[in-house]
Amino acid sequence: QVQLVESGGGLVKPGGSLRLSCAASGFTFSDYYMSWIRQAPGKGLEWVSYISSSGSTIYYADSVKGRFTISRDNAKNSLYLQMNSLRAEDTAVYYCARDRRWLQLYYFDYWGQGTLVTVSS
Amino acid sequence: SSELTQDPAVSVALGQTVRITCQGDSLRSYYASWYQQKPGQAPVLVIYGKNNRPSGIPDRFSGSSSGNTASLTITGAQAEDEADYYCNSRDSSGNHPFFGGGTKLTVL
Repeated sequence: QVQLVESGGGLVKPGGSLRLSCAASGFTFSDYYMSWIRQAPGKGLEWVSYISSSGSTIYYADSVKGRFTISRDNAKNSLYLQMNSLRAEDTAVYYCARDRRWLQLYYFDYWGQGTLVTVSS
Repeated sequence: SSELTQDPAVSVALGQTVRITCQGDSLRSYYASWYQQKPGQAPVLVIYGKNNRPSGIPDRFSGSSSGNTASLTITGAQAEDEADYYCNSRDSSGNHPFFGGGTKLTVL
């Protein structure tokens, strides 16, 4: 069965860095786009970034552009999010999700359990 | 446009039918997808495309769309359906997905 397991969250000071990982299993990882989506405490969902199956196409939300870097290692079935220059407003649970898109369709069919990132001094 | 508008809260009596709506210009071009999120849990996809349910989602969940409005209907709501529901679409470029603000469903 499809599994996505995030890790790497924790407490970091403003201006600091953190690298999140997402280990995928149960499907051919290299065939799928992947996304990071976050949720601040008590708030709604916010898409952060996606990466194409080969890694050649990447997009970011304006709120993280220039500070976050998404990447993947298809040989290791892993997705990453390098987060630099962290701010208090980046505090959230970060989910990795499998990203499906075709013509008029767009959805995230599997999600990890999330990893909490807290940015505080 | 990259906005999806949802009612913040909706309630339904046990066993009755409830419709949760999502409005946005992007819905004229793209289908919405819908996610259920219970407290402390990750979101779960419940509807995608015109009206498709992933495996394991009860058939009391259905989706529809008209113009700039997508709807998630729960026919015969159960206590376990009490959750937050989010719609999702993408902007006109197709490159930026975004979510509605979420609807908290209370089953009375």
